[in-house]
Amino acid sequence: EDQVTQSPEALRLQEGESSSLNCSYTVSGLRGLFWYRQDPGKGPEFLFTLYSAGEEKEKERLKATLTKKESFLHITAPKPEDSATYLCAVQANQAGTALIFGKGTTLSVSS
Amino acid sequence: DAGVIQSPRHEVTEMGQEVTLRCKPISGHNSLFWYRQTMMRGLELLIYFNNNVPIDDSGMPEDRFSAKMPNASFSTLKIQPSEPRDSAVYFCASTVSGRLAAKQFFGPGTRLTVL
Repeated sequence: EDQVTQSPEALRLQEGESSSLNCSYTVSGLRGLFWYRQDPGKGPEFLFTLYSAGEEKEKERLKATLTKKESFLHITAPKPEDSATYLCAVQANQAGTALIFGKGTTLSVSS
Repeated sequence: DAGVIQSPRHEVTEMGQEVTLRCKPISGHNSLFWYRQTMMRGLELLIYFNNNVPIDDSGMPEDRFSAKMPNASFSTLKIQPSEPRDSAVYFCASTVSGRLAAKQFFGPGTRLTVL
């Protein structure tokens, strides 16, 4: 069964304190792995797509990496505006266009 | 760009009533998805359509739930009769499906409360 597990469930950081969020996945052939950001009361907002092991993508203070079993979202010198829930999702080759989401990591950054 | 449009944004109803949620996907997108989000279960796919045709409805919890997509610019998710356990945030998303994994664009969601 295709599955996505994110850890930790919640993470509290001080402004400037770098850290990483983890997304472990089990999927029968990976077509793509997605990271989304979700703010309270809003829909998920797309951040990155990773297609193959070894791939990396960056956007401002965020950097996503991918291995054959997991993905990391590295947050460098976070700011309070980075506070949100970060969702990881996978698309399997046999799943058509459907995504399987993890339950997310809620990040709080205090100044 | 208007993005994915959902209505209503909030719905409060009583148990047993019929609820209809509406979605307008981004123009030109040919895949549409309905998700449900709860604290306990996270974001779950209910059903998705390709070119207005339902492809996978295995996530629909039971026969009380039904979804339609009469044309490329409109979809509905109906719950009849509604129950308190249906309370959740319902999201609609759309994308252009192709060979590569395509990012989905989400609407703002409908927060449903069934009393």
